[in-house]
Amino acid sequence: GAGVSQTPSNKVTEKGKYVELRCDPISGHTALYWYRQSLGQGPEFLIYFQGTGAADDSGLPNDRFFAVRPEGSVSTLKIQRTERGDSAVYLCASSPQDTTSTDTQYFGPGTRLTVL
Amino acid sequence: GNSVTQMEGPVTLSEEAFLTINCTYTATGYPSLFWYVQYPGEGLQLLLKATKADDKGSNKGFEATYRKETTSFHLEKGSVQVSDSAVYFCALSNNQGGKLIFGQGTELSVKP
Repeated sequence: GAGVSQTPSNKVTEKGKYVELRCDPISGHTALYWYRQSLGQGPEFLIYFQGTGAADDSGLPNDRFFAVRPEGSVSTLKIQRTERGDSAVYLCASSPQDTTSTDTQYFGPGTRLTVL
Repeated sequence: GNSVTQMEGPVTLSEEAFLTINCTYTATGYPSLFWYVQYPGEGLQLLLKATKADDKGSNKGFEATYRKETTSFHLEKGSVQVSDSAVYFCALSNNQGGKLIFGQGTELSVKP
């Protein structure tokens, strides 16, 4: 079946602009995660949804970052007033459920964001 | 807090060599441990996992044993292939909604 998809695959923007990054999880997966991966580093957790609600947003770096999942499927990560330090690959992952920490997360290919 | 430390790369090996990539962790309680792999041009994918002490995860000839006494989860393979060239990430999940905490990754390059 289809895996996790993310659009766009690449996004170049100018400092101060607003961007939206989209994630389509695997159908039926209730848990959805956003991570950010800087060059040469491991992914860092940003936010986790269980259904429509953000169950844990402790990884969002500041209030310029916001994410939604209004119907419990597709999610959008929104970044306001982008800064050069926001440049990274943004990864989305989904898993069938969140009731255990043992579930496998399935990752999308990522969106590479470049802020000029 | 929770954290994962991996050996630094890049690691360069000849085909059929033995591989070890070290991973140690710091966590409260009893985390689950994972190895994820990122092949060139592809997304992260689960390689193996272990959910409790002394469990051994295995897949594609790779193995890792959950050692609580040494807080380690070292990845091993007896005979690497060129196709194993990738970046390997050790990670833990500690019953906090399943969010993963990753190490910095270790790049493996296998030469024919």
